[in-house]
Amino acid sequence: GDSVTQMEGPVTLSEEAFLTINCTYTATGYPSLFWYVQYPGEGLQLLLKATKADDKGSNKGFEATYRKETTSFHLEKGSVQVSDSAVYFCALSDRNTGNQFYFGTGTSLTVIP
Amino acid sequence: KAGVTQTPRYLIKTRGQQVTLSCSPISGHRSVSWYQQTPGQGLQFLFEYFSETQRNKGNFPGRFSGRQFSNSRSEMNVSTLELGDSALYLCASSLVAAAGQETQYFGPGTRLLVL
Repeated sequence: GDSVTQMEGPVTLSEEAFLTINCTYTATGYPSLFWYVQYPGEGLQLLLKATKADDKGSNKGFEATYRKETTSFHLEKGSVQVSDSAVYFCALSDRNTGNQFYFGTGTSLTVIP
Repeated sequence: KAGVTQTPRYLIKTRGQQVTLSCSPISGHRSVSWYQQTPGQGLQFLFEYFSETQRNKGNFPGRFSGRQFSNSRSEMNVSTLELGDSALYLCASSLVAAAGQETQYFGPGTRLLVL
């Protein structure tokens, strides 16, 4: 079945450091891939998405490229800020399973000044 | 456009009771999905409703049920509450223009504590 494997956390970085959070997936069809972010006490917010191979999603300085050959969708940011501290979830949605989303376990990021 | 709203935001119940949670999707969205989020299990899919019909169901016992109304608002019900049902329950809505490509928009969640 479909699944998402996400880098274990927690991750602690200094402000302006480079961020990578790894995400790989297994899917029977041709999934769309998403990164969501959850701030303390809130629901999930869409950060970026990519719907086909080689697409790059980007938002607020974050980027992720849909790599079909390595079944990956790693999240990157060149220079993190304290305000980026949150939990990040990788997710996929496969047309073979309708609108059901499969989420990774989440990676907690703390950015220290 | 208003986002997804969930009520109530917090609930405290005791074992054996039942609870009903409500979700109002973004205007025009016809699909509503429910998730349970716990520290140990992460985000787990409960079910999805589209046009008042349950379209997908996750691996949860029959104590968990839901429904969707003609205005796309949805409710989920948990009967005979157990301590392990303590969690953040998240609702998400989407347009469902193309299956598999739709973005889900999440509400703030209802935090349920079972004592």
